[in-house]
Amino acid sequence: AQSVTQPDIHITVSEGASLELRCNYSYGATPYLFWYVQSPGQGLQLLLKYFSGDTLVQGIKGFEAEFKRSQSSFNLRKPSVHWSDAAEYFCAVVLRSNDYKLSFGAGTTVTVRA
Amino acid sequence: DVKVTQSSRYLVKRTGEKVFLECVQDMDHENMFWYRQDPGLGLRLIYFSYDVKMKEKGDIPEGYSVSREKKERFSLILESASTNQTSMYLCASSFNGVQPQHFGDGTRLSIL
Repeated sequence: AQSVTQPDIHITVSEGASLELRCNYSYGATPYLFWYVQSPGQGLQLLLKYFSGDTLVQGIKGFEAEFKRSQSSFNLRKPSVHWSDAAEYFCAVVLRSNDYKLSFGAGTTVTVRA
Repeated sequence: DVKVTQSSRYLVKRTGEKVFLECVQDMDHENMFWYRQDPGLGLRLIYFSYDVKMKEKGDIPEGYSVSREKKERFSLILESASTNQTSMYLCASSFNGVQPQHFGDGTRLSIL
């Protein structure tokens, strides 16, 4: 079945440490790829997107993501985490063949310890 | 800046009631979406609309309907609310199918 997988339900990281969130998709074609962040009690905010071209994408808040076609992955990274990065992160894909509907992973909750 | 506004942040209703959740966007976007969000399940698409008076079923449309009479407004209707519809509901809009969706802050709905 076609799906978006975020293997890590919860990650705890120390402030100042690096962060990597994993995302894998299982679709035949390369989808359009997104990362969203949701702070407690808020809606979702777009961090970055990948449509084509350079496989390393820069986003807001110091985040970047790398698309790896061979691994069907789109992992999100940040070199140095701030306490305000504590939130839930969602990977999402859009497929032309799926009427451009956005399909989400289950999310990864990030806790930042001092 | 892009703005998607949901009419209520918190709502408490009783089983069997007809419930309306309203969403308004000010970006002249063609597409609008309703999702529900439950722990461990991510966001699941309920209904979406690509144009005024048009609607398409998403992945979990059962028990819901929608209305889009004007381009900027997309309403989600729970015809007869049940306890299993207690959830966070998120509205979103986008310029077209590929462009990122912009989300409202959500409505946390409790059905008692």
